[in-house]
Amino acid sequence: DAGVTQSPTHLIKTRGQHVTLRCSPISGHKSVSWYQQVLGQGPQFIFQYYEKEERGRGNFPDRFSARQFPNYSSELNVNALLLGDSALYLCASSSGTRGDTGELFFGEGSRLTVL
Amino acid sequence: GDSVTQMEGPVTLSEEAFLTINCTYTATGYPSLFWYVQYPGEGLQLLLKATKADDKGSNKGFEATYRKETTSFHLEKGSVQVSDSAVYFCARKSTGNQFYFGTGTSLTVIP
Repeated sequence: DAGVTQSPTHLIKTRGQHVTLRCSPISGHKSVSWYQQVLGQGPQFIFQYYEKEERGRGNFPDRFSARQFPNYSSELNVNALLLGDSALYLCASSSGTRGDTGELFFGEGSRLTVL
Repeated sequence: GDSVTQMEGPVTLSEEAFLTINCTYTATGYPSLFWYVQYPGEGLQLLLKATKADDKGSNKGFEATYRKETTSFHLEKGSVQVSDSAVYFCARKSTGNQFYFGTGTSLTVIP
């Protein structure tokens, strides 16, 4: 079975540009979360979506937005990129159903470099 | 606020040595606790978890016990191997399914 898949794996942007990162959850999983992992740090929560609705938002500026599609895939968008947005962006899925033990399944991430 | 604090690394051990990576958390109530591992070049993988106080999670020879008295979830392994070299993250889950991660502890095991 395919795990969580993310694209692109690596990308380079310049300051002020916009980026879209994509994620496909594990088949059957209805919840998708996005995390930012800066080098040398633990992942920081950005968003959680369940059944196409935003269920949680971390302490990130409005330049960050996301959405979830009917097939449960998701996009993370970042506008007006800053140097500090350089990081590994991780997507994680979970079943999201009642009784879910809450384990997150992570993709390998999209490494964004902002020059 | 809610947070997870784990032992800073890097940690270097000889093969077959005993490993402890400390982790403490702050939270209201009794959140589910997790250890994730990130091997070189790979994504985060769940290593073990505990969903209530006094539970012991275990996997691949690693263990961690949920201690509500000390709000801790320390990771231990009796005999590490070279293949255990990785970065280990302690995490707790909020009621809203948001995860709070520690900063990670890098472990290198030398033959």
